[in-house]
Amino acid sequence: GAVVSQHPSWVICKSGTSVKIECRSLDFQATTMFWYRQFPKQSLMLMATSNEGSKATYEQGVEKDKFLINHASLTLSTLTVTSAHPEDSSFYICSARDWETQYFGPGTRLLVL
Amino acid sequence: QQPVQSPQAVILREGEDAVINCSSSKALYSVHWYRQKHGEAPVFLMILLKGGEQKGHDKISASFNEKKQQSSLYLTASQLSYSGTYFCGTGYSGGYQKVTFGTGTKLQVIP
Repeated sequence: GAVVSQHPSWVICKSGTSVKIECRSLDFQATTMFWYRQFPKQSLMLMATSNEGSKATYEQGVEKDKFLINHASLTLSTLTVTSAHPEDSSFYICSARDWETQYFGPGTRLLVL
Repeated sequence: QQPVQSPQAVILREGEDAVINCSSSKALYSVHWYRQKHGEAPVFLMILLKGGEQKGHDKISASFNEKKQQSSLYLTASQLSYSGTYFCGTGYSGGYQKVTFGTGTKLQVIP
């Protein structure tokens, strides 16, 4: 299957700082990538759909100014959590679409102190 | 609206079978199944695109009942490696759109 990488795997930061997470499709081109957030023992909640060369589409309730998404190339999407606060601590997972299938990255654990 | 999965959790002994159901309140275009192990990202299992379609590999298979807006995942002769949380993901319109993940089913296989 297709491979998606995420970097970094773990981030610990102070409240008020910004954190950038990268999502790369390693062996295929992805015009569409997705960003999810998952809290402990809960399902994955879609935050936004990232489209190469255009603006991301955010889900209801997700602040676009807080979670900045850039899909600059067919293999890279980035999520920047701006002015992070402790309530932003979560497991952030990206996925990339290859035809009808989504392949997930390994996830990034964010802890905001 | 989030698809509802049942059961919420199940414990099996090695070799036993299990069925996980995924039910949507809206008409479905596609159903995806994923398994997530603790602390890891979900792993794609299979996708069903047509009502009535059935698929499977190894001892894991799935069916899609478009009329009932349901899908079921069948695990036969379960192995310890099957443990994890299973999520269905549902697509609601023609062509590829976003996938909405179900509530999840935690499966534990014990020796």
